Amino acid sequence: AQKITQTQPGMFVQEKEAVTLDCTYDTSDPSYGLFWYKQPSSGEMIFLIYQGSYDQQNATEGRYSLNFQKARKSANLVISASQLGDSAMYFCAMREGRLAAGNKLTFGGGTRVLVKP
Amino acid sequence: NAGVMQNPRHLVRRRGQEARLRCSPMKGHSHVYWYRQLPEEGLKFMVYLQKENIIDESGMPKERFSAEFPKEGPSILRIQQVVRGDSAAYFCASSPGSGEGPQHFGDGTRLSIL
Repeated sequence: AQKITQTQPGMFVQEKEAVTLDCTYDTSDPSYGLFWYKQPSSGEMIFLIYQGSYDQQNATEGRYSLNFQKARKSANLVISASQLGDSAMYFCAMREGRLAAGNKLTFGGGTRVLVKP
Repeated sequence: NAGVMQNPRHLVRRRGQEARLRCSPMKGHSHVYWYRQLPEEGLKFMVYLQKENIIDESGMPKERFSAEFPKEGPSILRIQQVVRGDSAAYFCASSPGSGEGPQHFGDGTRLSIL
């Protein structure tokens, strides 16, 4: 079974509008972390936002917010007021286990976002 | 720039040659991870190292691939006798310690096999 699922291969969004990128995850470990990364066409991986499984509040970082619904095992990324520079691939990733355990990230297949002027 | 440094940015090899990819973690980071990304796919974990130790190599192919993180110098991902299927982007990430904060990625090495 897929551990991280991103069901939207690609999306268009109008500049200045908000967009929600879906991410569902599968784990039986009570301790885990969820991450979103942005990969522009230049290829680098840029960390955006992090949500821990025990965090009580949804994470926010500037125009990025994470809609964390633990019971549904979803961690959707919301980008508000989209800008042309937001056009990129977006990856959801999960780290399982206690803090002292191995920290490999498992990535979803990504969602390509294209912001239209 | 104190970020994760990978070199070379692009590497071209012929089938059967060896490829060496280098990664210097962020200052103060002692944990290094290597990932591989095939075109239009997400990153796949390969190996997790601390200084002089391989902690988790569950994602490494059994043959031709090896990794090290010596006491001095960068981490090296080595691919021997490369084949066309090794063509991919290889990313290195680092973190300050087990479980502490996000992994920060380098810009990757694009490996092309002729």
